[in-house]
Amino acid sequence: LAKTTQPISMDSYEGQEVNITCSHNNIATNDYITWYQQFPSQGPRFIIQGYKTKVTNEVASLFIPADRKSSTLSLPRVSLSDTAVYYCLVGDKGIFGNEKLTFGTGTRLTIIP
Amino acid sequence: GAVVSQHPSWVICKSGTSVKIECRSLDFQATTMFWYRQFPKQSLMLMATSNEGSKATYEQGVEKDKFLINHASLTLSTLTVTSAHPEDSSFYICSAREAESTEAFFGQGTRLTVV
Repeated sequence: LAKTTQPISMDSYEGQEVNITCSHNNIATNDYITWYQQFPSQGPRFIIQGYKTKVTNEVASLFIPADRKSSTLSLPRVSLSDTAVYYCLVGDKGIFGNEKLTFGTGTRLTIIP
Repeated sequence: GAVVSQHPSWVICKSGTSVKIECRSLDFQATTMFWYRQFPKQSLMLMATSNEGSKATYEQGVEKDKFLINHASLTLSTLTVTSAHPEDSSFYICSAREAESTEAFFGQGTRLTVV
């Protein structure tokens, strides 16, 4: 399983674009990169997933360089409600779909009014 | 995204009793389910991985006789904390994934307090 490294915490002001970078130097060929958001006392919520280049959905963008050893989650124009812990996970579903999901420390993002 | 429902959201039980937590995938067939526990200000710690119809695979240090996992159908997995003690108090979260999918979806979590 590829190990991930993220900043422990980040602060940003409302309305700014926030970029959270995750390092995963030993990512395997079949691994996907997935980001989750977690609010206190709630289960993680899927944000975005990608394999290479750039992926964009209605809430975020995910940038993955060609070597795939890192990835950056970009949150446009954050608001106070984006204050949460963000987790980067790297892995594959596995041959039988049972490869386990292991969480790293995550990044605690605090949005300042 | 897909919906995973966890029940109950919170439970308080007496020391020595057993508690069952249910995890249901509402709109997809979950061939694989994961169970986590999370202490305050910490990350999610994987307890076990289960596939429908087979025994769960427990992580090192997790007592399989204490944390009983059953994944009898493609939409339901249960975690039973047997003979609960105050140190078992934690936030328990389940996750489910479809066979051909790379995405996993999480329940809302269950806050267990053992008194």
